[in-house]
Amino acid sequence: QSALTQPASVSGSPGQSITISCTGTRSDIGGYNHVSWYQQLPDKAPKLLIYDVSNRPSGVSDRFSGSKSGNTASLTISGLQADDEADYYCSSLRPSSLYVFGTGTKVTVL
Amino acid sequence: EVNLVESGGRLVQPGGSLRLSCTASGFNFSRFEMTWVRQTPGKGLEWVSYITSGSDVRHYAFSVEGRFTVSRDNANDSLYLQMTNLRVDDTAIYYCARATATVTYALDSWGQGTLVAVSS
Repeated sequence: QSALTQPASVSGSPGQSITISCTGTRSDIGGYNHVSWYQQLPDKAPKLLIYDVSNRPSGVSDRFSGSKSGNTASLTISGLQADDEADYYCSSLRPSSLYVFGTGTKVTVL
Repeated sequence: EVNLVESGGRLVQPGGSLRLSCTASGFNFSRFEMTWVRQTPGKGLEWVSYITSGSDVRHYAFSVEGRFTVSRDNANDSLYLQMTNLRVDDTAIYYCARATATVTYALDSWGQGTLVAVSS
């Protein structure tokens, strides 16, 4: 049961935009619009940023946006800030195992 | 405010058993599906188990199927994970997490986690 594939790290300067990819298969990302993104600050629990590909829960900044094309989902962080430094995880419905997470991406603000 | 508090994690020997608890507050616990997710120290997230609001449906990751059992007590706003035949690779921080009210397969509230260490 393999995890979704994310780049290990992504970096950017303050104010820039960065995009994190999350690649799966037709059995998960490509087959359903149930892609979520989570932010995990150091030594904290994950926090939901995006659900159903592109929807933000109440209280999440509109600097975070999500999209999907085929078997790949993406999270874009606009106007990068120092407190965006964290690990980011994607997740998708995969009926064979219900939930599957991505490998995680460490975002560094230069 | 939604609050989830896990407890029960500790050091246990391989082959041993452990029961984790998650106490919920700030929302109508009985109306929400719940999950357990674990994270190996320094590594990624792995979904472990899922239970519907009425306990009629339960799902498990292949890695724990047959060894772990999820249950809940809606009268006491509590979620449980009974872990048996523990292995070294079960060592992780275990989080309980609430599924969103609508069917999105997203987890909108997480506890702070409890550490389970399996070692001889």
